[in-house]
Amino acid sequence: DTGVSQDPRHKITKRGQNVTFRCDPISEHNRLYWYRQTLGQGPEFLTYFQNEAQLEKSRLLSDRFSAERPKGSFSTLEIQRTEQGDSAMYLCASSQSRDEQFFGPGTRLTVL
Amino acid sequence: KQEVTQIPAALSVPEGENLVLNCSFTDSAIYNLQWFRQDPGKGLTSLLLIQSSQREQTSGRLNASLDKSSGRSTLYIAASQPGDSATYLCAVVETSGSRLTFGEGTQLTVNP
Repeated sequence: DTGVSQDPRHKITKRGQNVTFRCDPISEHNRLYWYRQTLGQGPEFLTYFQNEAQLEKSRLLSDRFSAERPKGSFSTLEIQRTEQGDSAMYLCASSQSRDEQFFGPGTRLTVL
Repeated sequence: KQEVTQIPAALSVPEGENLVLNCSFTDSAIYNLQWFRQDPGKGLTSLLLIQSSQREQTSGRLNASLDKSSGRSTLYIAASQPGDSATYLCAVVETSGSRLTFGEGTQLTVNP
């Protein structure tokens, strides 16, 4: 069991560019979650999948954000036309049903 | 809307001291509560999970209690060590959902 992994760990981009992050959950977990954390705050929920179905999206997830989990394994989170306000740590977590959630190391996004 | 509050926001103690971190939540209809540790710039490490039917959970020097009716949880750390220095976050999953709702954390510093 290698835990939850995320790639890249750091991303610096210019305003207006598109970025994509990847999350690989713990292999036997059927649920995958995305959260966003800004400095000094607790993480905020963005969206989650059960297998390949996206079951819930937060109002924080504007139309510039899209997430997929095409085969019920890894997931991608894409941000289009990035803005400086998108700068944050993007965290991925996985769980087996509603059990304990385990987090990855996060992707730190900086938008210049 | 569920709100989670953690008190104090920051705590500095000498090594060896026993300490208590507090977490309160506004809606008692929770499914479970998790305590996490976060080191600077890193992801979250799950410490303890308490199901709504449980009163407490223990892991090593850590003990977490839950009083669902009053909307409170405490994390007790015995014999603190400098390596315990980190931000501690509590989060709840409501009975109606799957997302974690986080507090803003308590930043703990244990001085040698």
